[in-house]
Amino acid sequence: QSALTQPASVSGSPGQSITISCTGSSSHVGGYTYVSWYLQYPGRAPKLLIHDVTNRPSGISSRISASKSGNTASLTISGLQAEDEADYYCSSYTSSSPLFLFGTGTKVTVL
Amino acid sequence: EVQLVQSGAEVKKPGESLRISCQGSGYIFSNYWISWVRQMPGKGLEWMGRIGPKDSYTNYSPSFEGRVTISADKSLSTAYLQWSSLKASDTAIYYCARQYCSPPSCFLDFDYWGQGTLVSVSS
Repeated sequence: QSALTQPASVSGSPGQSITISCTGSSSHVGGYTYVSWYLQYPGRAPKLLIHDVTNRPSGISSRISASKSGNTASLTISGLQAEDEADYYCSSYTSSSPLFLFGTGTKVTVL
Repeated sequence: EVQLVQSGAEVKKPGESLRISCQGSGYIFSNYWISWVRQMPGKGLEWMGRIGPKDSYTNYSPSFEGRVTISADKSLSTAYLQWSSLKASDTAIYYCARQYCSPPSCFLDFDYWGQGTLVSVSS
């Protein structure tokens, strides 16, 4: 597998909640607690949002949460705001090579 | 303040060689792996490989092994990504990113990223 599977786009109105899925296999997403999520604004470097499946680094809004069930990890953004409009990527450690896979990326649009 | 500062944009011709850099500051460089990540125009992120600055041990993605070389100079707190013969398909933004690893504790998220280096390869 060359990349984890994410929906190409997700949209929502301000104040709503959206969820982005990240599907892999037992060789990565389902087999380890090393799933992380990143936010990328156009023309900017990615920024860590979530590490180890559910953990927010300091400074990341509590509107951001994440979980995992089986081979699918999920990122939820609640109380959607204009500043949430960006690309989102998941990543996972893998049991083989390459050591790390990124998701295909999801563009979040705030309507 | 933790920073990963990458070298500037490059414009090259096919067949030319190139080395780009990523200098860390504000932290103990040898306690972190440095990975390189490619982002082709309008596309997603791809992990290329990483280096452990303590011993320069490297891991490469099969997609990039043999095409690029990752190295580091811990005395300069700098990691490098180099090509011996560029192709047009190497046109992309390249990011460096760090992962904490000071055994027995290692974390596998990329907690800080460089600003990216745009490499353009065209005849």
